[in-house]
Amino acid sequence: EDQVTQSPEALRLQEGESSSLNCSYTVSGLRGLFWYRQDPGKGPEFLFTLYSAGEEKEKERLKATLTKKESFLHITAPKPEDSATYLCAVQAASSNTGKLIFGQGTTLQVKP
Amino acid sequence: DVKVTQSSRYLVKRTGEKVFLECVQDMDHENMFWYRQDPGLGLRLIYFSYDVKMKEKGDIPEGYSVSREKKERFSLILESASTNQTSMYLCASIRPSQRQAFFGQGTRLTVV
Repeated sequence: EDQVTQSPEALRLQEGESSSLNCSYTVSGLRGLFWYRQDPGKGPEFLFTLYSAGEEKEKERLKATLTKKESFLHITAPKPEDSATYLCAVQAASSNTGKLIFGQGTTLQVKP
Repeated sequence: DVKVTQSSRYLVKRTGEKVFLECVQDMDHENMFWYRQDPGLGLRLIYFSYDVKMKEKGDIPEGYSVSREKKERFSLILESASTNQTSMYLCASIRPSQRQAFFGQGTRLTVV
């Protein structure tokens, strides 16, 4: 069964304290791994898509990496405005409909 | 800019009412999805559609139906609303070749 597990569930950081969020997955062939940011009461906002092991993508203070079993979202010198829930999702190679399977998310709080 | 628009941000309905949630996308995407999001459970797929008038059940279709009469519009229908359908509902659309799903802003539905 295709599955996505994110850890930790919640993370509190001081401003400037770098850390990483983990997304472990089991899927019958990976078509793509997605990272989203979600602010309270809003829909998820697309951040990155990773397609193959070894791939990395960056956006401002965020960097996403991918291995054959997991993905990391590295946050460098975070600011309070980075506080949000970060969602990871996978798309199986067998899916031609674009269906995404989500993890439960990591809620990040960055204190000034 | 790509856009997925859900008809309401907040809805309050009574038990037993028939409820319609509307979603419109302007990206000419083939595939559209309805998810619900609940604390501790993450995003769960209710229904999806890969073409006009075509639909498939997701993981939790009970108590819901959908309609897709036009490519840009995907409606979620709660046949007889119940309190356990109180949730955040999220619509998404994707063109599989782009491997990128875009979400609407969400509808917070409360059934009393």
